[in-house]
Amino acid sequence: DGGITQSPKYLFRKEGQNVTLSCEQNLNHDAMYWYRQDPGQGLRLIYYSQIVNDFQKGDIAEGYSVSREKKESFPLTVTSAQKNPTAFYLCASSKAPLRGATDTQYFGPGTRLTVL
Amino acid sequence: GNSVTQMEGPVTLSEEAFLTINCTYTATGYPSLFWYVQYPGEGLQLLLKATKADDKGSNKGFEATYRKETTSFHLEKGSVQVSDSAVYFCALSNSGGSNYKLTFGKGTLLTVNP
Repeated sequence: DGGITQSPKYLFRKEGQNVTLSCEQNLNHDAMYWYRQDPGQGLRLIYYSQIVNDFQKGDIAEGYSVSREKKESFPLTVTSAQKNPTAFYLCASSKAPLRGATDTQYFGPGTRLTVL
Repeated sequence: GNSVTQMEGPVTLSEEAFLTINCTYTATGYPSLFWYVQYPGEGLQLLLKATKADDKGSNKGFEATYRKETTSFHLEKGSVQVSDSAVYFCALSNSGGSNYKLTFGKGTLLTVNP
């Protein structure tokens, strides 16, 4: 079955540590996205990538970093510079966005990060 | 910029009641509109979408019509079930440029009681 996997489901981190969240998709999608979800605030875009070896900052990129070395993978690193990292993190993917066209984003099951 | 406003919850209904969750948007150009559903502890699932004015998206008994004149995309279901209990997100995509981003509302928690 095609889909998006995120691991781990739950992650605990001590203050001052970097942590990397995994996102893998086998949908053959070109574009991938990372969102952060906080209670009562909906989803906010952290980073997105439209093609391998290229990515752009979203609305709340500070304290995060990403890489896109393979089409299937888009890991997110939460660095110690992120002041309030406790949240639910969602990865998504879609077909290549074309100018003037839109397409649906498909989401993974999420990773809940807690800073101790 | 783009924005989505949806009715604040929580919404609590009895089984078989009629559901409406209001959603209005602000965007330039001609956005696509989406409703996503999130069950407890899970990611988001696409519920329905509409890509142009007057389109009606529908799925699993849910419907929403893209109204450009009122900039709205209200979600409706004629008879809710306990299994519909979840958080519902309205979202828009405006790909007038070279990128593609979703702008989400804050979500509406729906609880359906037997």
